[in-house]
Amino acid sequence: GDSVTQMEGPVTLSEEAFLTINCTYTATGYPSLFWYVQYPGEGLQLLLKATKADDKGSNKGFEATYRKETTSFHLEKGSVQVSDSAVYFCALIPSGRDDKIIFGKGTRLHILP
Amino acid sequence: DGGITQSPKYLFRKEGQNVTLSCEQNLNHDAMYWYRQDPGQGLRLIYYSQIVNDFQKGDIAEGYSVSREKKESFPLTVTSAQKNPTAFYLCASSMPTRSGRPSNEQFFGPGTRLTVL
Repeated sequence: GDSVTQMEGPVTLSEEAFLTINCTYTATGYPSLFWYVQYPGEGLQLLLKATKADDKGSNKGFEATYRKETTSFHLEKGSVQVSDSAVYFCALIPSGRDDKIIFGKGTRLHILP
Repeated sequence: DGGITQSPKYLFRKEGQNVTLSCEQNLNHDAMYWYRQDPGQGLRLIYYSQIVNDFQKGDIAEGYSVSREKKESFPLTVTSAQKNPTAFYLCASSMPTRSGRPSNEQFFGPGTRLTVL
């Protein structure tokens, strides 16, 4: 079945470091891909999305490119801040199925000042 | 402001009691969802509803029940049959596209943390 695999955390970086959180997926066709962010004690917020191959989603300095050939949607940021500390979830909606979203297990990011 | 509200933020329940978690949205969204979040396990879908008066079981529906009598509201009842109910519960909704089909993006509420004493 359809699934999302993301790197296990926690990931600890110093402020201004380069961030990559890996995400790969298994799905037929062309799913829509998402990154959500969850700050402590809160619900999830959509960070960025891409709905077709080679699309790049971007928001708040974060980027992710939909790579069909490697079935990946890695999240990157050039210079992280302490305020980026949160849990990041990669997710997909299967092609032709708008009623379900499949989440990865989440990656906790901790940024040190 | 438009959004999704969940109440209460923290909830304590004694073993053997049923408890109902509230979820309300004023975004005019057709579809609503309930997820359970446990440490290290991500989100798991409990129930979802695509339209008023209709809902479907998700991956972990046992011990839970829902209703969808109004478009704006999708309450979740955690029954005494749920053996391990302590968790963080998240409600979400999604909006229809112009074509009438649900869009891709889900909007989340702030969550309710349920603790069984």
